Amino acid sequence: EVQLVESGGGLVQPGGSLRLSCAASGFTFSSYWMHWVRQAPGKGLVWVSRINSDGSSTSYADSVKGRFTISRDNAKNTLYLQMNSLRAEDTAVYYCARDDRSGGLLLYVWGQGTLVTVSS
Amino acid sequence: QSALTQPASVSGSPGQSITISCTGTSSDVGGYNYVSWYQQHPGKAPKLMIYDVSNRPSGVSNRFSGSKSGNTASLTISGLQAEDEADYYCSSYTSSSLFGGGTKLTVL
Repeated sequence: EVQLVESGGGLVQPGGSLRLSCAASGFTFSSYWMHWVRQAPGKGLVWVSRINSDGSSTSYADSVKGRFTISRDNAKNTLYLQMNSLRAEDTAVYYCARDDRSGGLLLYVWGQGTLVTVSS
Repeated sequence: QSALTQPASVSGSPGQSITISCTGTSSDVGGYNYVSWYQQHPGKAPKLMIYDVSNRPSGVSNRFSGSKSGNTASLTISGLQAEDEADYYCSSYTSSSLFGGGTKLTVL
């Protein structure tokens, strides 16, 4: 079964850090570009970051540039999102998603999401 | 403000058809056939329903169809069912925002 499972969310204070993980199974992880998409409570989907299949190219939304780092370990079939200098506005459910068009944002497979809450 | 504009809400009765619009520009929706639509039920992950304007992934009901005219893409759901009640998001990878603001579909 093709599956993405996020983990690592939780409650963190403003200015703190958190690392999210997304474990992939059921497909050749190393062949796919991957994305992180977030959704604040009661709000819409917002693209956060993407990484190409071998990890050599990354891109970020302006709102997280310089604070978040996307990476992957193809040997472990795992995608990561390192989040530093967290702000209240980063509070959201974070989804990882598989891109079936290598950067074309054809998000065919999604994880169940992990909730990040930034609050003192 | 999203670069892709969707109505905040639409509604319809069971059995009816509804259409959700997604308006962009000639640089995204109008210029490329790379519009996708996602369905999201409360507390669930989004699900791809339509890609490349009008193509359905395997397993998606043929009650869902997509089209485009100029800078506006549309998702039509025919034969509305209670289970169709959800949020719907359009997407275009050439858009600055990548996702529309979302449309809440209510089945009356």
